[in-house]
Amino acid sequence: GQNIDQPTEMTATEGAIVQINCTYQTSGFNGLFWYQQHAGEAPTFLSYNVLDGLEEKGRFSSFLSRSKGYSYLLLKELQMKDSASYLCAIPNAGNNRKLIWGLGTSLAVNP
Amino acid sequence: GAGVSQSPRYKVAKRGQDVALRCDPISGHVSLFWYQQALGQGPEFLTYFQNEAQLDKSGLPSDRFFAERPEGSVSTLKIQRTQQEDSAVYLCASSLDSKTDTQYFGPGTRLTVL
Repeated sequence: GQNIDQPTEMTATEGAIVQINCTYQTSGFNGLFWYQQHAGEAPTFLSYNVLDGLEEKGRFSSFLSRSKGYSYLLLKELQMKDSASYLCAIPNAGNNRKLIWGLGTSLAVNP
Repeated sequence: GAGVSQSPRYKVAKRGQDVALRCDPISGHVSLFWYQQALGQGPEFLTYFQNEAQLDKSGLPSDRFFAERPEGSVSTLKIQRTQQEDSAVYLCASSLDSKTDTQYFGPGTRLTVL
């Protein structure tokens, strides 16, 4: 089967750096997505990793290790508007293209 | 261009009432997904369309839930005889086609069943 684990809640200070971890189990890996979701809004795409390593995109970076079944999202120079839920998701291992989601990590950025 | 749109944004229904939720995907997107999201949880898959074909409806919680996409564009999720446990946000997402294409989400419909 497929399973995703990520911490439920994290707290950080404005201007700091925070790392949100995600571990997964799957019988067929087809990449890993990170989405950001503000309260009451839809998830918005942040990153997609299919190869090992770090991909940087502005203040946000995403890392993947396929051998360890592990990914993290790194947020630098935190801003208050980064307070949101961060969801890790992997495509279904079968033919269906549905996403399997983690429960999300709720990040609170404090001044 | 325009993103995924959903209507209504909010729906309050009395228990037992039927509701219909609409999704307009991004133009040209072949794949369309419906997800259900409870408060504080990640989205849960309901059903998936490729063009007008419903290829997977394994996530629909009961036979009260029905989805269609007759012309391969707009989709409607219908819930018959709503129950309180149906209260959730219903998210629609679309993607170009391939398995790893990014799914783009609409704003969701928040359904409250009283």
